[in-house]
Amino acid sequence: GESVGLHLPTLSVQEGDNSIINCAYSNSASDYFIWYKQESGKGPQFIIDIRSNMDKRQGQRVTVLLNKTVKHLSLQIAATQPGDSAVYFCAEATGRRALTFGSGTRLQVQP
Amino acid sequence: GAGVSQSPRYKVAKRGQDVALRCDPISGHVSLFWYQQALGQGPEFLTYFQNEAQLDKSGLPSDRFFAERPEGSVSTLKIQRTQQEDSAVYLCASSDRASGTDTQYFGPGTRLTVL
Repeated sequence: GESVGLHLPTLSVQEGDNSIINCAYSNSASDYFIWYKQESGKGPQFIIDIRSNMDKRQGQRVTVLLNKTVKHLSLQIAATQPGDSAVYFCAEATGRRALTFGSGTRLQVQP
Repeated sequence: GAGVSQSPRYKVAKRGQDVALRCDPISGHVSLFWYQQALGQGPEFLTYFQNEAQLDKSGLPSDRFFAERPEGSVSTLKIQRTQQEDSAVYLCASSDRASGTDTQYFGPGTRLTVL
C-alpha cells in the first residue's frame, strides 16, 4: 500500500515504554477532539475522543489530555507495542461535523 | 458489513477522464463525510451529508468535484476532467449522530492516480 507520513515528525520508542504524542490545535472554538491511528494502506482508525468540557479521558492503554488554555492535546500510550507503530493524527471539530486534522506524527516502536 | 467500505480501492485515470468513487457507510449511519488525503498529509474535509441532504460542500476544491447520496445511504464522489493535482487518497467516513456520538469511522480509502 501507499506510504503514510513520508516526511512527518517521528517518535521512536522501545517496546514496553510509554509514548506521548503531542498536538497543537488552532481553533479555540473547537469543542470535540479525536485521535486517529493510520497504518499504511488503511483509513484512519478511531482511538479515543474527548469533549471540551473535559481535560482527561482514559481508554484501554491510552489517555488523552486536553489543555484548552494553550490549545494543546496529547495522547499517551502505555506499554507501547510493535502493533502501535503507525502515523497518529489529532483532529478537532466545531459543532461536531467536519474534522480538521493535524499534520500527524509517526510512531516507531523498536523491539 | 461491519465497517465503511469503499470501491474501487485503486483507480488510475488519464488526465481529462471522469471518475466515480463509491462509499458504503455503516448501516444506519445518518452522517457521511468525504475527505481528501495527499501523500504525507492529514485528511482534508471535502463535503458532508446528513441523510440525503448535502449540508456542507465548502471543502470541494473546484466545480469538477461533485458528490451525491440520493437515498441517504450509499454515496458517490465524482470528479470530472481529472487533473494530476487530483491524485490523492479519497476517504469516506460515517457517523451515527442519532445515537448521541459523533465518532467518525473511516473506510480504507480509494487511491486515485491521475497520469
